[in-house]
Amino acid sequence: DAKTTQPNSMESNEEEPVHLPCNHSTISGTDYIHWYRQLPSQGPEYVIHGLTSNVNNRMASLAIAEDRKSSTLILHRATLRDAAVYYCILSFIQGAQKLVFGQGTRLTINP
Amino acid sequence: ETGVTQSPTHLIKTRGQQVTLRCSSQSGHNTVSWYQQALGQGPQFIFQYYREEENGRGNFPPRFSGLQFPNYSSELNVNALELDDSALYLCASSLVRAEDTQYFGPGTRLTVL
Repeated sequence: DAKTTQPNSMESNEEEPVHLPCNHSTISGTDYIHWYRQLPSQGPEYVIHGLTSNVNNRMASLAIAEDRKSSTLILHRATLRDAAVYYCILSFIQGAQKLVFGQGTRLTINP
Repeated sequence: ETGVTQSPTHLIKTRGQQVTLRCSSQSGHNTVSWYQQALGQGPQFIFQYYREEENGRGNFPPRFSGLQFPNYSSELNVNALELDDSALYLCASSLVRAEDTQYFGPGTRLTVL
């Protein structure tokens, strides 16, 4: 299964931008890059996804490298509610639509 | 629009018992996936059901089985429970393409004693 590599933890300050990196050097041409986050005692929550082009939504931006071997999730102005574990996932079809989660990055936001 | 719901919230069983967990999918979704999340780990894919058929399975033994009903709700059954089955069990509903978002429920916390 395609795998991603993320830092175990990151720390940032409230109201500052946060850049969460992800490496996926074995990505194939049809794999989508998804980001989910998980707050304590909750199920994962969708953040954003993309294939080749950069993407923006109300929660975040996703910057995808030209060779697609890495991507960066950007939170433009972090709040305390953004403290969570962020998962970078490659989504592909192998019979089923499979999301292969790694360990994720635990993001701490300082007030 | 109703989100994904799961029941029960918490469950305690003893080794060797059987358990059934339930999931109601989001309106309009025809696909349900189940995941196991051990403490401190990311979720691990168990299997996925699409229109009442299992269409993919992760690295889990046959004692993990499931069903999907005509209304697209789903059950996860685990037989012969082992201590290592203690985990948070998550279900997610979606459509079935690689670009589709999976919407997760809050999970069922299973403790096996």
